[in-house]
Amino acid sequence: AQSVAQPEDQVNVAEGNPLTVKCTYSVSGNPYLFWYVQYPNRGLQFLLKYITGDNLVKGSYGFEAEFNKSQTSFHLKKPSALVSDSALYFCAVRDGNTGGFKTIFGAGTRLFVKA
Amino acid sequence: NAGVMQNPRHLVRRRGQEARLRCSPMKGHSHVYWYRQLPEEGLKFMVYLQKENIIDESGMPKERFSAEFPKEGPSILRIQQVVRGDSAAYFCASSPPVTTGELFFGEGSRLTVL
Repeated sequence: AQSVAQPEDQVNVAEGNPLTVKCTYSVSGNPYLFWYVQYPNRGLQFLLKYITGDNLVKGSYGFEAEFNKSQTSFHLKKPSALVSDSALYFCAVRDGNTGGFKTIFGAGTRLFVKA
Repeated sequence: NAGVMQNPRHLVRRRGQEARLRCSPMKGHSHVYWYRQLPEEGLKFMVYLQKENIIDESGMPKERFSAEFPKEGPSILRIQQVVRGDSAAYFCASSPPVTTGELFFGEGSRLTVL
């Protein structure tokens, strides 16, 4: 069975500083990994994904994430945070080997970027 | 191209009543997923459907909850005899039939049980 862990409930960063939101996963087959962002009272918006290939993937709004197979991690990063990045971030995983479409989400990490 | 449409956006029910939440997937998408988000919690998978078929309902409570995705019309998540613990945001997502990609989410339906 798939699972996702986001060890931090909240991350606080000053505007202009780099940010990292952590994610580790567990899946029996090949992982398909995703990051989504949720603003208050809205649905989730897709940021980026890793399916195969280069371990560093780039996504929307200047975000990127690094896939690390040995550490089973997929941390979200941004070189310079903006106040407008403040939101709830979800890591998600699918098992690519089973061919199923079921996507499991982590508990979410709330990012606060202070001006 | 319209996104995933959910309605109602807000629904208030008294204990014991029924709640019906509707979801129209994006055009061309034949897969629908329902998730529940409790206050200050993450998204919990409930059910995954294709047209006229339930593919995976491993996250659905055994009683009172049901889902369908008929050949015509939206997907429906039905909660019978609601209790206060059912109060949550229910999100629908859709995806095309062949994809390694992301889910497309609706804005959610927020159920409040009085």
